[in-house]
Amino acid sequence: AQSVAQPEDQVNVAEGNPLTVKCTYSVSGNPYLFWYVQYPNRGLQFLLKYITGDNLVKGSYGFEAEFNKSQTSFHLKKPSALVSDSALYFCAVRDASNTGKLIFGQGTTLQVKP
Amino acid sequence: DSGVTQTPKHLITATGQRVTLRCSPRSGDLSVYWYQQSLDQGLQFLIQYYNGEERAKGNILERFSAQQFPDLHSELNLSSLELGDSALYFCASSVAQQGRAETQYFGPGTRLLVL
Repeated sequence: AQSVAQPEDQVNVAEGNPLTVKCTYSVSGNPYLFWYVQYPNRGLQFLLKYITGDNLVKGSYGFEAEFNKSQTSFHLKKPSALVSDSALYFCAVRDASNTGKLIFGQGTTLQVKP
Repeated sequence: DSGVTQTPKHLITATGQRVTLRCSPRSGDLSVYWYQQSLDQGLQFLIQYYNGEERAKGNILERFSAQQFPDLHSELNLSSLELGDSALYFCASSVAQQGRAETQYFGPGTRLLVL
């Protein structure tokens, strides 16, 4: 069965420092991986996705993610965190049943302090 | 703004009641997905429709049903509501049924509180 794990409930970083939000996955076949962000009282906003090709994927708002097949990981990164990046981040994998449904991790709260 | 709209934003009702949540997908999108976000279950897929037809079911209770209309908007019907149904319900849309890792765009959600 497909699954996604986000091992950290919360990540704390200082503004201006690099940030990493971790995600590991378990899939059969080729993984299609996504990152979404949820701000308080808002819907999920798409950040980026990995389908195939370059292991470093660039997305919105300066975020990028590194796909590592051997470690089955898809960590979200940003070189310099902003206070406004504070939000709830979700990693997701597309289900292998070909329906397109997404399986989400439990989410990681990112707190960026000034 | 994702282009996906959901109404109402908030809904407060009592146990045993029935409610209808509405979703309008982005222009041109044929697939609609419903997800439930709760503190204990996280984000869970409920059901998917493509161009009016049901395509996939997830962890959707028998008390819940959905449909997609000819104009492609979708409704999620929740009946015999229980306290545990209190959650944030999201609708998402994408262009096709099972495209290669298509992006799903999410609406702002409907927050349901069952008292």
